[in-house]
Amino acid sequence: EDKVVQSPLSLVVHEGDTVTLNCSYEVTNFRSLLWYKQEKKAPTFLFMLTSSGIEKKSGRLSSILDKKELFSILNITATQTGDSAIYLCAVVFYGQNFVFGPGTRLSVLP
Amino acid sequence: DGGITQSPKYLFRKEGQNVTLSCEQNLNHDAMYWYRQDPGQGLRLIYYSQIVNDFQKGDIAEGYSVSREKKESFPLTVTSAQKNPTAFYLCASSIRGATNEKLFFGSGTQLSVL
Repeated sequence: EDKVVQSPLSLVVHEGDTVTLNCSYEVTNFRSLLWYKQEKKAPTFLFMLTSSGIEKKSGRLSSILDKKELFSILNITATQTGDSAIYLCAVVFYGQNFVFGPGTRLSVLP
Repeated sequence: DGGITQSPKYLFRKEGQNVTLSCEQNLNHDAMYWYRQDPGQGLRLIYYSQIVNDFQKGDIAEGYSVSREKKESFPLTVTSAQKNPTAFYLCASSIRGATNEKLFFGSGTQLSVL
């Protein structure tokens, strides 16, 4: 059975801290891995990862994929209160659809 | 502006009642999806459709029904057979077959039982 696991499930930090969110998967016919940020309602797209070892960056956020060990991490440096959200990891596999993990709820305190 | 529109934002269901959630997209995407999100949980797939007049069950299809008569529209009906319908429902769409396939989401509908 295809499965995506995220850790931690919940995280509380203070502004300025650096956080690392983890996503591991057991999926046949892997195609890509996606990260989304869900602040209130609609998840918004952050990154798509398809190749191992290539870091994707967007401002203070970065992500990398390890297809051999079947995991990805999402790093957020110098966190701000606006980073508070649920971060969702999803794996896309050939011939089917998207499998989501449970999400990591990040709270950034001032 | 292109996007996905879900309505209503909030919906209340009485016992034994069927309710329908609307999802419309103008992105010209072939594939559309319905997800359910419970507090503290990720997204679980209810139904998806890759083409007009065709759809498949997801992981938790029992108590739900869909139709795909137009490319732009993918309404979800929560039937009285769904005994625990209180949840946040997200509709999404994607371009099928693209190498950079990803989901675009609507703003969701919060369904509650009276």
